[in-house]
Amino acid sequence: SQTIHQWPATLVQPVGSPLSLECTVEGTSNPNLYWYRQAAGRGLQLLFYSVGIGQISSEVPQNLSASRPQDRQFILSSKKLLLSDSGFYLCAWSNGVRDYGYTFGSGTRLTVV
Amino acid sequence: GQNIDQPTEMTATEGAIVQINCTYQTSGFNGLFWYQQHAGEAPTFLSYNVLDGLEEKGRFSSFLSRSKGYSYLLLKELQMKDSASYLCAVPNTGGFKTIFGAGTRLFVKA
Repeated sequence: SQTIHQWPATLVQPVGSPLSLECTVEGTSNPNLYWYRQAAGRGLQLLFYSVGIGQISSEVPQNLSASRPQDRQFILSSKKLLLSDSGFYLCAWSNGVRDYGYTFGSGTRLTVV
Repeated sequence: GQNIDQPTEMTATEGAIVQINCTYQTSGFNGLFWYQQHAGEAPTFLSYNVLDGLEEKGRFSSFLSRSKGYSYLLLKELQMKDSASYLCAVPNTGGFKTIFGAGTRLFVKA
């Protein structure tokens, strides 16, 4: 069966510090991978998606970046965090949105102080 | 572009029925999803509608009218554990990007 792992679960980082969140998927190949962010009390905002190794599409211009170094690994990074980067970050995968929707990781709650 | 509207909050009583509405605008239709999200947790898939009509899955049913750009999620025999946010979502025409509504927070009271 397919599983998705996302870590860390919680992170408190000072403004200006770097960020690296990692997500891996098991039990499937060539998944579509996504990073979403959810601000408190808000909906999910699509940040990045990837349909293959090295292929990254950015949805929102900001100080975040994403990389997909391996087929089932998706990394979200920042060189310098801003206060506005605080939120709940969710990684997700799909192998056909029409049929199964997205399966989300457990999320990372990031607080920038 | 795409736009999704849902009520912000709803309150219902344990054992009752509640209907959560969603209206959407999209340039091309590729189905509509409902997800459940408990506080502090990730969303989980509930349903997917691509044709008009009602799809029933246990206590949960989802309805779609493509001509009206309208969907609803129907929860029957409400339980306390149904207290959560319910997110309406539509993928874009290519299917690679899904836009989520802000969600409806449902409070189930005893």
